[in-house]
Amino acid sequence: AQSVTQPDIHITVSEGASLELRCNYSYGATPYLFWYVQSPGQGLQLLLKYFSGDTLVQGIKGFEAEFKRSQSSFNLRKPSVHWSDAAEYFCAVVPLYGQNFVFGPGTRLSVLP
Amino acid sequence: DTEVTQTPKHLVMGMTNKKSLKCEQHMGHRAMYWYKQKAKKPPELMFVYSYEKLSINESVPSRFSPECPNSSLLNLHLHALQPEDSALYLCASSQVGIGGNEQFFGPGTRLTVL
Repeated sequence: AQSVTQPDIHITVSEGASLELRCNYSYGATPYLFWYVQSPGQGLQLLLKYFSGDTLVQGIKGFEAEFKRSQSSFNLRKPSVHWSDAAEYFCAVVPLYGQNFVFGPGTRLSVLP
Repeated sequence: DTEVTQTPKHLVMGMTNKKSLKCEQHMGHRAMYWYKQKAKKPPELMFVYSYEKLSINESVPSRFSPECPNSSLLNLHLHALQPEDSALYLCASSQVGIGGNEQFFGPGTRLTVL
């Protein structure tokens, strides 16, 4: 079945530490891949997206993500986390011939001072 | 202007009330979306409008009635809601077409049904 998974429900890191949030998908053909962030009570903001080409994608706020076809993964990384990065992070896909987003369950990030 | 605006920010209504949520964008996008988001869950797609025509209704109860009066505006009319309809309602817009177009989200309307 087609799905998007984010194995970590909640992650806590210290400010200044590195971060990796995992996203895996199960689709026959590689879908379009996105990471969105949502601060409490707010809408979603796009961090980055991958369609094709270079498998390392740079986004806003110092985030990057790496697409690995062999692992069906699109993990989000940041070398040094800031307290303002505390939020909910959603991985989302659009199937290759589709239009609508399919969201993963989300990972909540907490940042310790 | 890359902003999607939504009004009101908060709404409290009784089960017999009629109210409307409004969404507006001026990015020239011809696809607009309504999502419902419960706490600690991802957004769930409710409706999709493409070129001002309803293209997708994800089996949403008829107490939710969408309307797209023009290419910039999207409304969600609410009537006889249930307490379980309390949620954050998000509007989004994008370019039309297959290809994984980025969706731009509004800040949402926090709805409480008493």
